[in-house]
Amino acid sequence: AQSVAQPEDQVNVAEGNPLTVKCTYSVSGNPYLFWYVQYPNRGLQFLLKYITGDNLVKGSYGFEAEFNKSQTSFHLKKPSALVSDSALYFCAVRGDTGGFKTIFGAGTRLFVKA
Amino acid sequence: SQTIHQWPATLVQPVGSPLSLECTVEGTSNPNLYWYRQAAGRGLQLLFYSVGIGQISSEVPQNLSASRPQDRQFILSSKKLLLSDSGFYLCAWSASGPRQETQYFGPGTRLLVL
Repeated sequence: AQSVAQPEDQVNVAEGNPLTVKCTYSVSGNPYLFWYVQYPNRGLQFLLKYITGDNLVKGSYGFEAEFNKSQTSFHLKKPSALVSDSALYFCAVRGDTGGFKTIFGAGTRLFVKA
Repeated sequence: SQTIHQWPATLVQPVGSPLSLECTVEGTSNPNLYWYRQAAGRGLQLLFYSVGIGQISSEVPQNLSASRPQDRQFILSSKKLLLSDSGFYLCAWSASGPRQETQYFGPGTRLLVL
């Protein structure tokens, strides 16, 4: 069965500091991994994805994520946080063995303090 | 470019009343379409998905139903709303084909059942 875990309900970071939002997963076959961001009362916006290739994936707004197959993780990172990065972040996974169901994590709320 | 629309943006309905939420996609053909519900600003629950006109798969048994009368139109309905139907409803699309992995979300409909 597919699953995604975002172990932190909330992450607090000061503006200008690096941020990490954690995600671990379990799938059958090879994983397709995604990060989305949601601002209040808005739909989810796609940030980045890992399908194959380089383990470090770069996405929108300066975010990046590192795929680690041995640790089954796909942590989201940014070298220098902005107050405007404050939002709800979702990790998602789908296995490559078929089916249309993408599993979303419970979400991690990021607060960036000025 | 592709865009996805949802309406209405906000809806307040009495218990027992019917529901119809609409989602349309522009700029693509034969998309996969999805309805999610998000409760309390947290995780997403997949309600329905569709790979073509008239083809609907239900993930969770409930008093909601979905229909896809046209290629790029996806409708979420209920004959009698329950209090527990309150939430934020998100429609999403992904490209058809073997690499239809990334989902793109609409702006959402906030439903309050009183």
